[in-house]
Amino acid sequence: ETGVTQTPRHLVMGMTNKKSLKCEQHLGHNAMYWYKQSAKKPLELMFVYNFKEQTENNSVPSRFSPECPNSSHLFLHLHTLQPEDSALYLCASSQDSGDTDTQYFGPGTRLTVL
Amino acid sequence: GENVEQHPSTLSVQEGDSAVIKCTYSDSASNYFPWYKQELGKRPQLIIDIRSNVGEKKDQRIAVTLNKTAKHFSLHITETQPEDSAVYFCAAATSSNTGKLIFGQGTTLQVKP
Repeated sequence: ETGVTQTPRHLVMGMTNKKSLKCEQHLGHNAMYWYKQSAKKPLELMFVYNFKEQTENNSVPSRFSPECPNSSHLFLHLHTLQPEDSALYLCASSQDSGDTDTQYFGPGTRLTVL
Repeated sequence: GENVEQHPSTLSVQEGDSAVIKCTYSDSASNYFPWYKQELGKRPQLIIDIRSNVGEKKDQRIAVTLNKTAKHFSLHITETQPEDSAVYFCAAATSSNTGKLIFGQGTTLQVKP
């Protein structure tokens, strides 16, 4: 349960605020991911990083800005969000970003945008 | 691009019965299919996965079957227990080699004691 950690666990922010979500993995993995989980919708991949390089941006609006300073840490910087951005944001990691590498999820950050 | 459909959206069974959840995918080049279980307020956890070089895989009460010709795969839970109650997600890896998983919509399984 402590392999992938996320902070904060809950976040309430206004549309004009700037905040950041943090993810850390202790599994020695090289790939990290951000997902968005909204009610009654499938998990949506947002970004993939492999060896600190972004390899996938799934048409995410620019108000979400990822940062991966090293293979163990991943951030999601948020600014001028909309109420429809309220969701559970999940981080995951895998050994590499190959087609068959198992992804392990963090507990998520529950974001509410007022 | 890849699309994954999952059915049913909700499933209620009596304790001890079997439960089956089915998924179909569109990208014939997909070769990795994990299943995740997500309990209320918790993270998705991998429960079983299958790669395209096998047709079936079992782990105690859980099994997954894969039919590549028909492009569908299924999760089978036997002898269900109340603690099996959760949301189950199937996923298919795209053939892009970027680690991209496409998830199904989820199935809420309720096991009644």
